[in-house]
Amino acid sequence: DAGVIQSPRHEVTEMGQEVTLRCKPISGHNSLFWYRQTMMRGLELLIYFNNNVPIDDSGMPEDRFSAKMPNASFSTLKIQPSEPRDSAVYFCASSFSYNYEQYFGPGTRLTVT
Amino acid sequence: KQEVTQIPAALSVPEGENLVLNCSFTDSAIYNLQWFRQDPGKGLTSLLLIQSSQREQTSGRLNASLDKSSGRSTLYIAASQPGDSATYLCAVAFGNEKLTFGTGTRLTIIP
Repeated sequence: DAGVIQSPRHEVTEMGQEVTLRCKPISGHNSLFWYRQTMMRGLELLIYFNNNVPIDDSGMPEDRFSAKMPNASFSTLKIQPSEPRDSAVYFCASSFSYNYEQYFGPGTRLTVT
Repeated sequence: KQEVTQIPAALSVPEGENLVLNCSFTDSAIYNLQWFRQDPGKGLTSLLLIQSSQREQTSGRLNASLDKSSGRSTLYIAASQPGDSATYLCAVAFGNEKLTFGTGTRLTIIP
């Protein structure tokens, strides 16, 4: 298996623009997680899905952030409009099921100018 | 508030030495604890997962222990190598699938 796939790997955009991050989990995994990593706050869970259903989105910072999982092999994290403080590395992770190891993708480094 | 703490933030050790990384957490009611390594500019690589019912897990030169009553876990690395240099993160599942991460220990192995 290719592991968790994220695209793009790097994104530079101007403040106010819409940004869409994409994730393909490991085939057969039922849980998908979106994290954000910054120097100031470390790794934070934004939202997670189980069987394509959002379970907990309490970590989503504000309404500018939204996430979808239309099927078992694809998820998106959208920021609209983007702001400079959204600059961070965004990771997607997946796991087989509850209480199993989480496997992380390589991340998307987002820079908002 | 459920928190995970890793001290020290950075550690340097001569090659070949055995070492221990520490992780402490505030709530003993956990489902599991996972250790990761992160290389600069890269994603996280899972090293070991310890279930709540277990006391330790081993993989090669790595051994992770779990003591829920004291809220502590340790990651033991035997015969350290320069390739072990990375940031090591501890993450705890407090009661569900959500992982709460520590801030990590940046490990440097000196050749």
